Amino acid sequence: ETGVTQTPRHLVMGMTNKKSLKCEQHLGHNAMYWYKQSAKKPLELMFVYNFKEQTENNSVPSRFSPECPNSSHLFLHLHTLQPEDSALYLCASSRKGQPDGYTFGSGTRLTVV
Amino acid sequence: GNSVTQMEGPVTLSEEAFLTINCTYTATGYPSLFWYVQYPGEGLQLLLKATKADDKGSNKGFEATYRKETTSFHLEKGSVQVSDSAVYFCALSVTGSARQLTFGSGTQLTVLP
Repeated sequence: ETGVTQTPRHLVMGMTNKKSLKCEQHLGHNAMYWYKQSAKKPLELMFVYNFKEQTENNSVPSRFSPECPNSSHLFLHLHTLQPEDSALYLCASSRKGQPDGYTFGSGTRLTVV
Repeated sequence: GNSVTQMEGPVTLSEEAFLTINCTYTATGYPSLFWYVQYPGEGLQLLLKATKADDKGSNKGFEATYRKETTSFHLEKGSVQVSDSAVYFCALSVTGSARQLTFGSGTQLTVLP
C-alpha cells in the first residue's frame, strides 16, 4: 500500500457506459494528478489539481472529466469512451513546492469494449 | 522546456550482471532528479532521488549520481536479480514552477535466472 488508493483496480466498460475512477490519499498532499499509461507509449499527464483547483488539462478529450472535491480525493468520470482509451490510469499526489517526487497509486486497468 | 531522454529498451540481462540505464535531461531551471520503478501490474514507486549536483541517490543496491556537467542521472546496479525485472523511469521536476514531474519513456528490464 503506497498511501494512494485507486479503485477499481480493473474496469471493463462499453463505449456507451458511464463510469468513474476514484483516487484517495491521506498523506497530507495538496496536489493530485491523473496519468494515462498505454502500451508502448510514454506516460501521459492528463490533469493536475493544486489545492483542489485544476491547473492543467493537457488537451484531454471531453469524454474524460476530472473532479477534485477536496485535497484528498480525485475522480475521473468517463463517458462514451473509445477502444483506444483502454489503458492503465494512474493517480499520483505530491506536496506542492517540495522536491520529493510523487506517490502513485496502483492504477486502474481500463478496457473499453 | 523540460525533457528526459532514456536509453531505449528492452534490456535483458543475466542474474548478477551489471546494470546501467542511461538518462539525460534538459531543464529550464535547477531540477531534482528521480528514478521510478514499475513492477508488473503495479503503479510507479520512487526508487531513488537526488536534489542537487553531485548528490548520489541510492536504494536497494541501485545508485545514480546527479551530474550537472553532463546533464545525466544514469541508473546503476552492480548485480541484478530476477526480482529487479520491471520498467524503470527517469524523471525530473523543477521547483518554483508548477513542479510537475517530467518522465522519460521508460526502460523495460528483464533479468534471466
